[in-house]
Amino acid sequence: RKEVEQDPGPFNVPEGATVAFNCTYSNSASQSFFWYRQDCRKEPKLLMSVYSSGNEDGRFTAQLNRASQYISLLIRDSKLSDSATYLCVVNPLTGGGNKLTFGTGTQLKVEL
Amino acid sequence: NAGVTQTPKFRVLKTGQSMTLLCAQDMNHEYMYWYRQDPGMGLRLIHYSVGEGTTAKGEVPDGYNVSRLKKQNFLLGLESAAPSQTSVYFCASSSPPGGGNNEQFFGPGTRLTVL
Repeated sequence: RKEVEQDPGPFNVPEGATVAFNCTYSNSASQSFFWYRQDCRKEPKLLMSVYSSGNEDGRFTAQLNRASQYISLLIRDSKLSDSATYLCVVNPLTGGGNKLTFGTGTQLKVEL
Repeated sequence: NAGVTQTPKFRVLKTGQSMTLLCAQDMNHEYMYWYRQDPGMGLRLIHYSVGEGTTAKGEVPDGYNVSRLKKQNFLLGLESAAPSQTSVYFCASSSPPGGGNNEQFFGPGTRLTVL
């Protein structure tokens, strides 16, 4: 079983739609969770951290369910500029070094 | 601030050749990392460093060596390149974990092809 699993997509949605991505992780001891965004042929960039109480940043909402080891990202009112690959990222906090474990990413395409 | 920079941006090698990838950061970060990204595999950690003069193995270290002689630089070496090392290589840096700040900042990547 992969440490972090995501549906690769692509998710093709019309502009203005609401879309949700899910991610599961295998290490129950993991403490930190993130969503990174990666544009085509570019480097990953932090989109938002994911907190136990859930958090919102504009049109983006992230949720964490520790019991189910499940993380979600909701994007409301999708824009063309949201088209990218969204990486689910977990810090398993093992072995030191602030190491992150990356999912393979979910591709989003927002269309007119 | 330039953030994290990588040199070169592209490179083509023949099997058996050697090369060094250079990563530099100007954010005074203690921690630095080298990843490779392959289709369907996600980013995988090759080596990392938690401070000047220290290095440690990541998930896929075989065939690579690293050095961190200066805090701002992290070098990744391929002594004898193999076609399996064809990939996109990303360098990243971060502060030590704590205070909820685990963000890693990435460089633009190096696209390496080994023929």
